[in-house]
Amino acid sequence: EAQVTQNPRYLITVTGKKLTVTCSQNMNHEYMSWYRQDPGLGLRQIYYSMNVEVTDKGDVPEGYKVSRKEKRNFPLILESPSPNQTSLYFCASSLVATNEKLFFGSGTQLSVL
Amino acid sequence: KQEVTQIPAALSVPEGENLVLNCSFTDSAIYNLQWFRQDPGKGLTSLLLIQSSQREQTSGRLNASLDKSSGRSTLYIAASQPGDSATYLCAYLGQAGTALIFGKGTTLSVSS
Repeated sequence: EAQVTQNPRYLITVTGKKLTVTCSQNMNHEYMSWYRQDPGLGLRQIYYSMNVEVTDKGDVPEGYKVSRKEKRNFPLILESPSPNQTSLYFCASSLVATNEKLFFGSGTQLSVL
Repeated sequence: KQEVTQIPAALSVPEGENLVLNCSFTDSAIYNLQWFRQDPGKGLTSLLLIQSSQREQTSGRLNASLDKSSGRSTLYIAASQPGDSATYLCAYLGQAGTALIFGKGTTLSVSS
């Protein structure tokens, strides 16, 4: 089944404790992206990747890191999480950045205490 | 500033009604526009994708239109069903081609 898989689904952590949210797609998509969704603010892009080893900042990249060493994986790293990073995170992918439907993972609900 | 507005924010209708969800955007140059469905606690599912050269797309009971000149898109849902209850988001891809700009969504409730 074609899908974008995120893990974990829920995560509670404390300020400053490094964490990684994994994202994997099995559709051989070139484009991958991370979004966060907050009440009243909607979905905002954090980082995106047009292909392997190519990543760039989105609208709200501060406090986040990403890497794209393999085509299928695009992990989101929070080196020192803070409470304002409490949010619902989504990974998404498409065959190419333009002209293709975007497929989303099921989301990761992160709480930083 | 790139912005997407969706009206209404919430909508309640009885089963069987035809309804229209509205989306307006400020960017005059777009690659495409997508309509998504989001169920509570779940990810987004792309319903329809309209390229900038197209005027509309249809899938089953759903029809989406795009008017670039006025910066508007509509999602028409025919013969609504309780299973259509969800939040519907529209998003466009700007000419930079790197990120979708999302609206905040319309939450639809269809009662039986």
